[in-house]
Amino acid sequence: GAGVSQSPSNKVTEKGKDVELRCDPISGHTALYWYRQRLGQGLEFLIYFQGNSAPDKSGLPSDRFSAERTGESVSTLTIQRTQQEDSAVYLCASSPGGASGRTGELFFGEGSRLTVL
Amino acid sequence: GENVEQHPSTLSVQEGDSAVIKCTYSDSASNYFPWYKQELGKGPQLIIDIRSNVGEKKDQRIAVTLNKTAKHFSLHITETQPEDSAVYFCAASESGGGADGLTFGKGTHLIIQP
Repeated sequence: GAGVSQSPSNKVTEKGKDVELRCDPISGHTALYWYRQRLGQGLEFLIYFQGNSAPDKSGLPSDRFSAERTGESVSTLTIQRTQQEDSAVYLCASSPGGASGRTGELFFGEGSRLTVL
Repeated sequence: GENVEQHPSTLSVQEGDSAVIKCTYSDSASNYFPWYKQELGKGPQLIIDIRSNVGEKKDQRIAVTLNKTAKHFSLHITETQPEDSAVYFCAASESGGGADGLTFGKGTHLIIQP
C-alpha cells in the first residue's frame, strides 16, 4: 500500500520567501507529526496532530512556522519569511493513533529538503 | 522535557562483527523506547522497540536492552552486514508517541567495513 508521501522532495528558495510543504499520511492514520532534521543532526519535533486538531504546537521554532491539517488527511507546513537557518529536511510521519494518544510506530515520508539561499 | 543522549556519533565495524549503540534519557516517566534506521535519502524506519515492562527484546540479529534504574538503553546488532550501514536513532517517549511526540537522539552513523 501507499506510504507517507511528501512534496516537494526538494525546494530551493530565496531568503524572505514563504514556502509550503505538503504531507499525505497513510490512509486511516489519525496521528500526524512534523519533524525537522538539520544536516547531521537528530530529529527535532515540531508539531503533532490528532485528527485535525493540534494539541501540541510547542515544537514550532517561531511564529513564522505554522501547520494545518484537513480532517484526517493532508497536512501542510508553512514557513513564512524564510531564513537561512530554516534550511533542513522536513520529515512528516503518521501513525494509527488512538483515543489514548498512544501511537507506537511512526511511519515516515522521505522528507522535503529545503534550502534557503 | 525529555532529553536523549546517544553515543557514539560514528561507529565503524568490520563486517561480521557486532555493533553496540547506547542511549540515555532523562525523564523517568518515559516508557517507550524505539530505534529507527535511516538510509541515505530515506525517512527513518522503525527496526525494534521496547516498552518499560521488559528488560530485553530480540529480533533476529537485532536486540535492545533497557535499564530503567540507570535510564539507559542500547541497540545490539550481531553479525553485521553491509546493508546495516545507515544512521540509527534512538528515541524515548512517555506516551508511546502521542501528544509529546518522540524525543530522538542525535543519531549514530554506522559504517560496516567489508
